[in-house]
Amino acid sequence: KAGVTQTPRYLIKTRGQQVTLSCSPISGHRSVSWYQQTPGQGLQFLFEYFSETQRNKGNFPGRFSGRQFSNSRSEMNVSTLELGDSALYLCASRRGGGSSYNEQFFGPGTRLTVL
Amino acid sequence: GENVEQHPSTLSVQEGDSAVIKCTYSDSASNYFPWYKQELGKRPQLIIDIRSNVGEKKDQRIAVTLNKTAKHFSLHITETQPEDSAVYFCAALPSGSARQLTFGSGTQLTVLP
Repeated sequence: KAGVTQTPRYLIKTRGQQVTLSCSPISGHRSVSWYQQTPGQGLQFLFEYFSETQRNKGNFPGRFSGRQFSNSRSEMNVSTLELGDSALYLCASRRGGGSSYNEQFFGPGTRLTVL
Repeated sequence: GENVEQHPSTLSVQEGDSAVIKCTYSDSASNYFPWYKQELGKRPQLIIDIRSNVGEKKDQRIAVTLNKTAKHFSLHITETQPEDSAVYFCAALPSGSARQLTFGSGTQLTVLP
């Protein structure tokens, strides 16, 4: 089975621009979560999508948004970029559903640099 | 919401020695505790996890212990090898509708040959 993939792997933007990142989950996985990883803050949860619906949201401003398509692929968008948005953005997929939380698999991440 | 604290932030051990990383959590209703290993430039990978109905779990050289009363859990790595060098993250998952993993801040483990 192919793992979680993310595109692009690297991105350089300037302040004020917007960016869209993409994540393709493992086949059969319906849940996709997004995380921001920075040296100072560790892994911070952004949001989770399941069956095209946002199921959970972390404490990030409204400039961060996402969506999920019917094939479970997900995108996240950051508008009006700020220098502090520079980070590694990781998505993770899992089967979802059921009563037990099942194993989450991470993608390689998108390294976003805001200049 | 859940809060996870992880210690130490850095840990150096000699090859062959044991390493222990500790995490505490705040939400007594949390019931799932995974540990991830992230090598430099790579994605985090699950190495072991434990659910709240179990006190200890082992997988070869790694083990995790959970103390629900004290709300802390620990990762134990025995007979450390240089390839164990990485950043290790603990996480906790509260029960209820807002089931999102809250991660600790990470421990940089260095195994010295």
